[in-house]
Amino acid sequence: DAGVTQSPTHLIKTRGQQVTLRCSPKSGHDTVSWYQQALGQGPQFIFQYYEEEERQRGNFPDRFSGHQFPNYSSELNVNALLLGDSALYLCASSEEPGNTIYFGEGSWLTVV
Amino acid sequence: QKEVEQDPGPLSVPEGAIVSLNCTYSNSAFQYFMWYRQYSRKGPELLMYTYSSGNKEDGRFTAQVDKSSKYISLFIRDSQPSDSATYLCAMRRNYGQNFVFGPGTRLSVLP
Repeated sequence: DAGVTQSPTHLIKTRGQQVTLRCSPKSGHDTVSWYQQALGQGPQFIFQYYEEEERQRGNFPDRFSGHQFPNYSSELNVNALLLGDSALYLCASSEEPGNTIYFGEGSWLTVV
Repeated sequence: QKEVEQDPGPLSVPEGAIVSLNCTYSNSAFQYFMWYRQYSRKGPELLMYTYSSGNKEDGRFTAQVDKSSKYISLFIRDSQPSDSATYLCAMRRNYGQNFVFGPGTRLSVLP
């Protein structure tokens, strides 16, 4: 049973560029949440997708956007990258929005 | 003041010691509490999930919640070098709400 899978695992982007990160939820899960984890910090909630709609959103600017597909997989898009966007981006899935969340291994983004 | 606080560590203990990891929180509305373990450069792994005040045990791990003091703890008995990781507490107000994480405590168990 595959867990939460994310791609790419590492990437380097230049300031001002755009990035797309991808996530496939654990089998049987229909809800996907995205978190940003800066070095030495706990994960910070970005947003949650359920039934292809953004259900909740944390305190992140509109440069952060997402999408959920009919097969429950999800993308996180970040536009106009800033140096401060460098972090580990974690995808988490659950059986439904209220249930326990399980994380993937994350995508390491470095903005130079 | 942050909603969820943890001692940042690092905390170093000898193998076999009992470890106590703690979180305090400011929002009395938090009802659901979780502990995650995160190895270096990996995603967090769920350890324990509790709802009510009191203790919950799972093998060498015990989670304790004291809502009156707004304080939760994770105890690790007979600690092993493989327990060396960052431990994150997380909590939320209601079923369906997003989880708020603490900054994590880094633990090193020395052989």
